[in-house]
Amino acid sequence: EVQLLESGGGLEQPGGSLRLSCAASGFTFNTYAMAWVRQPPGKGLEWVSSISGSGDRTSYGDSVKGRFTISRDNSRNTVSLQMNSLRAEDTAVYYCAKDFQSLVTAILDFWGQGTLVTVSS
Amino acid sequence: EIVLTQSPATLSLSPGERATLSCRASQTVNIYLAWYQQKPGQAPRLLIYDASKRASGIPARFSGSGSGTDFTLTISSLEPEDFAVYYCQQRANWPPVTFGGGTKVEIK
Repeated sequence: EVQLLESGGGLEQPGGSLRLSCAASGFTFNTYAMAWVRQPPGKGLEWVSSISGSGDRTSYGDSVKGRFTISRDNSRNTVSLQMNSLRAEDTAVYYCAKDFQSLVTAILDFWGQGTLVTVSS
Repeated sequence: EIVLTQSPATLSLSPGERATLSCRASQTVNIYLAWYQQKPGQAPRLLIYDASKRASGIPARFSGSGSGTDFTLTISSLEPEDFAVYYCQQRANWPPVTFGGGTKVEIK
């Protein structure tokens, strides 16, 4: 059974940093791309970032480019999102999601339950 | 960036009725459109990808159609568990991957 468990969310001040992690199990991790998608409270979904199965290709949404960094550790079956220079508009539930293939397809077939990030002073 | 517009914003129907949800893209996405279901307090779930392919484990009452800029998600006969918010998502021209604003299917 595929399982994705996010951690690392919490309250952070504007300008601060947080690192989210997602622990994956139930599938051969290094053969699937992964993604982060966020959802502000009461609003819709926004794609944040994706990383290929090997980790050599990454992509970002414009609103986080230059501030967020996605990475993965295939030896530990984890994908991470380093979030710097946080803004109030980054407040959201952050979901980790599994892609359909090793190369990024952006077909997200399994999602974690999410972790809440709140940016506020 | 491709903008996806979903309509209606809210659909009020009774169990057993047919639901028809629309997603329109600001430019062609070929067939590279997916649909997700999200229930309150839960993560999204993939229903349909590449316009018409059902994801693993998705009941046959869910079907998708369309290509280019106009897409439809149809639920042939609503079950109580189908009342939720539905999002379309394009992957034709990315980054960025974009989502529609959602359609809420509520009990009438």
